Amino acid sequence: GAGVSQSPSNKVTEKGKDVELRCDPISGHTALYWYRQSLGQGLEFLIYFQGNSAPDKSGLPSDRFSAERTGGSVSTLTIQRTQQEDSAVYLCASSSSGTLSTDTQYFGPGTRLTVL
Amino acid sequence: QQQVKQSPQSLIVQKGGISIINCAYENTAFDYFPWYQQFPGKGPALLIAIRPDVSEKKEGRFTISFNKSAKQFSLHIMDSQPGDSATYFCAARSGNTGKLIFGQGTTLQVKP
Repeated sequence: GAGVSQSPSNKVTEKGKDVELRCDPISGHTALYWYRQSLGQGLEFLIYFQGNSAPDKSGLPSDRFSAERTGGSVSTLTIQRTQQEDSAVYLCASSSSGTLSTDTQYFGPGTRLTVL
Repeated sequence: QQQVKQSPQSLIVQKGGISIINCAYENTAFDYFPWYQQFPGKGPALLIAIRPDVSEKKEGRFTISFNKSAKQFSLHIMDSQPGDSATYFCAARSGNTGKLIFGQGTTLQVKP
């Protein structure tokens, strides 16, 4: 079936503007994750949704970042008042369960965000 | 305690050679160690993974070696091919959390 999809693939915005990034997980996957990949860096965990449980927001870098997951499927990551240091590739992943440590996370292609 | 340290940052290997990437961790609660492969413009994809109750796992040309006492693990790519040229990330995860903790990545170039 279809993999994880993300939109837009590229987003250029001006400093101070708000942006919304969308993630469509693999159908039937109950767990959804957001990561950030800065240039030349590893992936940094942002937030994790598992079923109807409260999300793990421990990786969000500031209160300008928020995310929601509607109907247990699509997720939106919102960055308010964007700053230049927010420029990165934002990756979404999903997994079938999220409750097992061996549960494979499948990544989307990412959204490249550039803040001018 | 949450860090996973990866080395080298970049690696150049001749076709047919062995590529070796190393990772070290601190958190003994980690119980799952995957390696991801990422090509430019794509998201990372799971390559191979290991649990700490085994010392080695092999899938084709890819092998993970795991040293629990040293808290280190490594990826070996045998008979490296130009198509293996990509960025490789090690990661770790503990059973009571969904998040993966990633290493900084290794950019591998296999020369023909």
